[in-house]
Amino acid sequence: GAGVSQSPSNKVTEKGKDVELRCDPISGHTALYWYRQSLGQGLEFLIYFQGNSAPDKSGLPSDRFSAERTGGSVSTLTIQRTQQEDSAVYLCASSLAWGSRYEQYFGPGTRLTVT
Amino acid sequence: AQTVTQSQPEMSVQEAETVTLSCTYDTSESDYYLFWYKQPPSRQMILVIRQEAYKQQNATENRFSVNFQKAAKSFSLKISDSQLGDAAMYFCAYRRPGNTPLVFGKGTRLSVIA
Repeated sequence: GAGVSQSPSNKVTEKGKDVELRCDPISGHTALYWYRQSLGQGLEFLIYFQGNSAPDKSGLPSDRFSAERTGGSVSTLTIQRTQQEDSAVYLCASSLAWGSRYEQYFGPGTRLTVT
Repeated sequence: AQTVTQSQPEMSVQEAETVTLSCTYDTSESDYYLFWYKQPPSRQMILVIRQEAYKQQNATENRFSVNFQKAAKSFSLKISDSQLGDAAMYFCAYRRPGNTPLVFGKGTRLSVIA
């Protein structure tokens, strides 16, 4: 079946602009995760969803970052007033249910470049 | 907080040879999960192997096996009969029980020499 998809694959934006990154999880997966992969910081967790709710938003790096999930499916990560340090690959993962025994399946990521 | 350390930024191996990638972690938990992920140039993270901390037996998946030393908090990945397709970034990751995120090491870039 179809895996996790993310769009766009690559995004170049000017400093100060807002961007939206989209994640389509595997159908039926109730848990969804966002990670950021940057050269200096490695892979860091941003936020996760159980259904449409995000119990813990403490991983978001600043209040310029927000995320939502609708219909228990698609999730959007929004970065407002982008800064150069936001340049990174943003990875989305989904799993069948919440809980550590369920494997996380990753999408191909969105490479964001802020100029 | 849990941390995962991969001390080898880069490794190389001859095709058909064996290579071992190192990983250590720090946790005060007794129950947890450990993973090795492969990230090829396509960027998509692929699960290679997983280990539950309560299991003493080392996990094995075809040419991939781990050496899990719980007391030493060490979790190394051995790749046997290396193939050109094994060239990628490899990430060690840790996860506590529950709906918790993965905590990743900084990765090891593996090159396979024909």
